[in-house]
Amino acid sequence: GQNIDQPTEMTATEGAIVQINCTYQTSGFNGLFWYQQHAGEAPTFLSYNVLDGLEEKGRFSSFLSRSKGYSYLLLKELQMKDSASYLCAVTGNTNAGKSTFGDGTTLTVKP
Amino acid sequence: NAGVTQTPKFQVLKTGQSMTLQCAQDMNHEYMSWYRQDPGMGLRLIHYSVGAGITDQGEVPNGYNVSRSTTEDFPLRLLSAAPSQTSVYFCASGRSGDEQFFGPGTRLTVL
Repeated sequence: GQNIDQPTEMTATEGAIVQINCTYQTSGFNGLFWYQQHAGEAPTFLSYNVLDGLEEKGRFSSFLSRSKGYSYLLLKELQMKDSASYLCAVTGNTNAGKSTFGDGTTLTVKP
Repeated sequence: NAGVTQTPKFQVLKTGQSMTLQCAQDMNHEYMSWYRQDPGMGLRLIHYSVGAGITDQGEVPNGYNVSRSTTEDFPLRLLSAAPSQTSVYFCASGRSGDEQFFGPGTRLTVL
């Protein structure tokens, strides 16, 4: 089976940097996704890590350590629109359609 | 290119009623999945499909059936609705080792 842990809530200030952690324990691992979900909307893709290391994409970066079962999502220059839930999801094989999601981290950005 | 579409957007059922949630995608994706999301929680996989004619169970399949007769369509059937099935249902599609694209969701209430 798979177990994924994320903090439930985080608060940060506009313009700051925030790091959202995700730890996982899986019986098989292929890759880790991060999705963003605004209240009342569908999740949207942010990043996908398969190999160890940091992937940077504009203000958002994602890190993976396969040996430690650990990932983080780093958001820089926070904006009010970044207030959302951030979902960590693990795939146990090459089928992205069979992902196990964490419960999500609700990020609130304050002025 | 409409992406992933779901109907209906909202539905209220009485206990014991049956219904089908529709999902369609026009991106020629082989993988399609159904998730449910309860308040304050992440997504839980109900059923998924790796291609036309092939389906498999996810974490919470009881009370739901699926079929995949075409690449484009992946309907979810509730056999006999129960209050515990009150949730938001998301359909998603994707390719092997790639991100999932989510539909807008169906908000279901079972009285």
